[in-house]
Amino acid sequence: AQKVTQAQTEISVVEKEDVTLDCVYETRDTTYYLFWYKQPPSGELVFLIRRNSFDEQNEISGRYSWNFQKSTSSFNFTITASQVVDSAVYFCALDDYRDDKIIFGKGTRLHILP
Amino acid sequence: DTEVTQTPKHLVMGMTNKKSLKCEQHMGHRAMYWYKQKAKKPPELMFVYSYEKLSINESVPSRFSPECPNSSLLNLHLHALQPEDSALYLCASSQDHDSNQPQHFGDGTRLSIL
Repeated sequence: AQKVTQAQTEISVVEKEDVTLDCVYETRDTTYYLFWYKQPPSGELVFLIRRNSFDEQNEISGRYSWNFQKSTSSFNFTITASQVVDSAVYFCALDDYRDDKIIFGKGTRLHILP
Repeated sequence: DTEVTQTPKHLVMGMTNKKSLKCEQHMGHRAMYWYKQKAKKPPELMFVYSYEKLSINESVPSRFSPECPNSSLLNLHLHALQPEDSALYLCASSQDHDSNQPQHFGDGTRLSIL
């Protein structure tokens, strides 16, 4: 069965610290896609990244970086030099060919303290 | 500002009222989605429209009635809702339903049932 686990329910760090959000997934498919979304207090989900199962290269976009490791079924997200505006709920999600819908993790609520 | 526009942003209605939520996108996407999100939970898929046809209904009660008048518009008609239906209702769109492209979300409608 497909499943996404975000074990960290809530994290608080002081501004400028680095923080890593964990995501572990389960799927029987060999072809699948992983996503990260950000949901600020205003409500909309903002798409951050999509990664397919055949591309294990790590990705960096500004202060954001993602570490995809198929061997441990993990797709972790690191924010470097965090800022107050990074405070939000972050969802990891899985989309494979077996199911017709995206499976979301329960989300990690990130608080960046000034 | 998101590219998926939802109206209204807030809605308070009684259990006997009839109202509609509206969603619009002009990205040429052919798949559109309704999600329900309760506080501190991930979004739950309700309906998927693919090429203006209802593709998925996640066993949603009939008091929620979706409608897709054209490829840019998606409505959710509400009638005789219950207090437990109070939630954030998110609309999303993607290029199509089968290509595992990211979904783009609107700001949502915060619905309160009195």
